[in-house]
Amino acid sequence: GAVVSQHPSRVICKSGTSVKIECRSLDFQATTMFWYRQFPKQSLMLMATSNEGSKATYEQGVEKDKFLINHASLTLSTLTVTSAHPEDSSFYICSAPDRVLMNTEAFFGQGTRLTVV
Amino acid sequence: GENVEQHPSTLSVQEGDSAVIKCTYSDSASNYFPWYKQELGKGPQLIIDIRSNVGEKKDQRIAVTLNKTAKHFSLHITETQPEDSAVYFCAATYSASKIIFGSGTRLSIRP
Repeated sequence: GAVVSQHPSRVICKSGTSVKIECRSLDFQATTMFWYRQFPKQSLMLMATSNEGSKATYEQGVEKDKFLINHASLTLSTLTVTSAHPEDSSFYICSAPDRVLMNTEAFFGQGTRLTVV
Repeated sequence: GENVEQHPSTLSVQEGDSAVIKCTYSDSASNYFPWYKQELGKGPQLIIDIRSNVGEKKDQRIAVTLNKTAKHFSLHITETQPEDSAVYFCAATYSASKIIFGSGTRLSIRP
């Protein structure tokens, strides 16, 4: 199947700093990518929809100025957690549907474990 | 709204027995229902999916059923094995392939 690569897999940062997470579709083009956050023992909660060439769409309750999303190409979306705080510590996962096969299986990255100290 | 409910939250079965996880969804327009298995520290892995034009799909020990009228779908695992222990998520697609997840079921297989 298609491959989505997410980097880094783990990151530790100090409070107040920013962290960038990359999500790449390796063998297909993704005009849309999705960013999820998962707290321990909880489900994956959709944060935002990343749209290539336009602004991201954020879910209710997600601060767009804190979680900056850039989808500059058909294979790359980035999520930047700005001014990170300990409560932002979580598992962040991206996914991308193959645009040829829209409305079908989405492919997930490996996830990024963010720890803010 | 976009919602997927999943039950039970935890499930413990004897090795060799069957496990069933049930989900309901809110949007009648949803037409794709994947199931994911997630192991600790990893992203979700697709194990089986079903589209709205079929009522049942089977892949070896795993099967999924869909009742579109009732907006219910279920995962069935037969002859459970220790490696089946994990967290399982149902999901439903909404607009533009947005996937909304259920709350998850922690499945434990007792030896």
